[in-house]
Amino acid sequence: GAGVSQSPSNKVTEKGKDVELRCDPISGHTALYWYRQSLGQGLEFLIYFQGNSAPDKSGLPSDRFSAERTGGSVSTLTIQRTQQEDSAVYLCASSLTVGYTFGSGTRLTVV
Amino acid sequence: AQSVTQPDIHITVSEGASLELRCNYSYGATPYLFWYVQSPGQGLQLLLKYFSGDTLVQGIKGFEAEFKRSQSSFNLRKPSVHWSDAAEYFCAVGASGGYQKVTFGTGTKLQVIP
Repeated sequence: GAGVSQSPSNKVTEKGKDVELRCDPISGHTALYWYRQSLGQGLEFLIYFQGNSAPDKSGLPSDRFSAERTGGSVSTLTIQRTQQEDSAVYLCASSLTVGYTFGSGTRLTVV
Repeated sequence: AQSVTQPDIHITVSEGASLELRCNYSYGATPYLFWYVQSPGQGLQLLLKYFSGDTLVQGIKGFEAEFKRSQSSFNLRKPSVHWSDAAEYFCAVGASGGYQKVTFGTGTKLQVIP
């Protein structure tokens, strides 16, 4: 597509439930990144994909967080047993060379 | 490890005035440097980037930034601010070559008053 698409744009979930966030990168972009932006915070790196593999997942905050990418394209970030501190905007970005293109993000609210 | 400092959390300028947003980075070699802008409720948009060559970089929307290795700085400037420039601005640093994990600063929120 023309840009990075993320869905849903907003998600409200109950504490303890699992959620899946989707990212559809720009066609042909081999690199894909997930970041988290909490209120009043900068962007926190979560995970990086090159193709379907994740050479750097050092930013995932706990084992409740996981991500996969299939077909070198769509990626899904899964948060299990959500906690209130997981509330944030989750941003996906893709790149081919230097510089990311970001999606509009998924605002996750855990109640 | 790479890091970025944006010392100004919030800046207010009058429309038509000049703007400079400060950014200092820490990285052992020549970094990749970026400025992104985030308007309310929007994702981040790349304003400009530097990775080699001329140290004065021109970007979109009339912005420019200057890489100063001696000061480890990459300040963003605009000669005349418009009301539509009100947004949050993020400086970021990435490793040169190969995998581009990018580290972002905490952002500077710009308010523009008439």
